[in-house]
Order: sequence, then C-alpha cells, then structure tokens
Amino acid sequence: ETGVTQTPRHLVMGMTNKKSLKCEQHLGHNAMYWYKQSAKKPLELMFVYNFKEQTENNSVPSRFSPECPNSSHLFLHLHTLQPEDSALYLCASSQELAGGRKQETQYFGPGTRLLVL
Amino acid sequence: AQSVTQLDSQVPVFEEAPVELRCNYSSSVSVYLFWYVQYPNQGLQLLLKYLSGSTLVESINGFEAEFNKSQTSFHLRKPSVHISDTAEYFCAVSGMFSGGYNKLIFGAGTRLAVHP
Repeated sequence: ETGVTQTPRHLVMGMTNKKSLKCEQHLGHNAMYWYKQSAKKPLELMFVYNFKEQTENNSVPSRFSPECPNSSHLFLHLHTLQPEDSALYLCASSQELAGGRKQETQYFGPGTRLLVL
Repeated sequence: AQSVTQLDSQVPVFEEAPVELRCNYSSSVSVYLFWYVQYPNQGLQLLLKYLSGSTLVESINGFEAEFNKSQTSFHLRKPSVHISDTAEYFCAVSGMFSGGYNKLIFGAGTRLAVHP
C-alpha cells in the first residue's frame, strides 16, 4: 500500500532538538489526520485538516505544531519534546464531502516511530 | 460520550481454529463501523466496514463482521485462521459527533496470536 507515505520511518531525538515528520498522500483526498499510537493505549487523534483548514486540535501540547501547505502534504513539527512523547505517529487521509455528512474511509501511512531521549 | 470497547486485549488461538474478536460501542447518533488490522511494524489497513445495507460484511481474506444495532456490537469472526493473521485488530466507529463533523474513534485493540 503506497497511497500514504511517511518519512522518516524511525526517528531518535533529544529533548532539545527540532525535527519534522512528513506525510504525503497520493489518493487525491481532501482531509488529512495525525494520530499518536502509544503502547497499550487507543489511537489518539491529534489534528485534522479538512480542505486544508485545521478543524480539530485535541488539546495537543504546543510542542507539536502541524502544517498543511496543500491537500497532499502534511507535516508535524516537533520541538522540545518529552520522553513520554515517544510513540508511533500515524498519518491518514480521506475524501470528505462538504458538510461532513458521511465518514469516508481513512487510509493510513506506515507511521514514524519516534524515540525521545 | 461515544466510545468503543474491545473486550479482549489478547486472543491466542491455534491455526485453522475459528476466532471471534469482540467489539461493542456506545453512541447517541447513527454510526459507521470499521475494523482495521495492523501487522508488525506497519500502519493500519482497512479490513472491512459497515456503512449501510446488509448487516453482514466480509473482507477478501475470509473475515466477516456483523452489525447488531440492538446489542451495539460489531464482532469480527473468521472460521479458520492462518499464521499470517497474527496482528493487532482495531475496531472503530464514526459519526456526526459534537463539533459538526465526522470523527473516527478507535478501540484499544486486540492482539490476535495464531500458533501452529
């Protein structure tokens, strides 16, 4: 499945570093998502972009900063992270109808496994 | 509040045996239902979904799930599992929740371990 790609696949960073995660979707979708997957916890929705506008920010700390320059690309900028931020970060995309009347299937990328030391 | 409960965190089973992974949800609005599978070191892949119509839905690799509105359940079944089915399985629901737009809510996952 190459519809949604994420880079890098693995990332190790110190608490003072600044890094960015990249997601690209090749499916022509208009909505993109960032999720956090920690061990033994349900997937946590972090950010949603519909039609390039951010429509959800689930009380995510400001050390995570999303950017959606166009409908195909999504970034997650990271700075001054904490060890508890270590997790698998998943990107997803979907094709949403205006007005959100129907949930279309979300397609996921392979994820970036982040380790914060 | 909407929620998804996967009743078993781990399900060990022998190869060629049947399996059922349980999923219950709670919601005050109409929902759509999904099962996703995550193989080791990979992202989530859609296994099957219920949007409307027949309450029994099937995947191409032999899994099926039945939407039961009265019991608010969407259990996943396979009559005979293979070693390659070893993975983590996530149940999810979506609907027009608060905020006026659709949102996908996941269960905690069930790890299916198939043994020879």
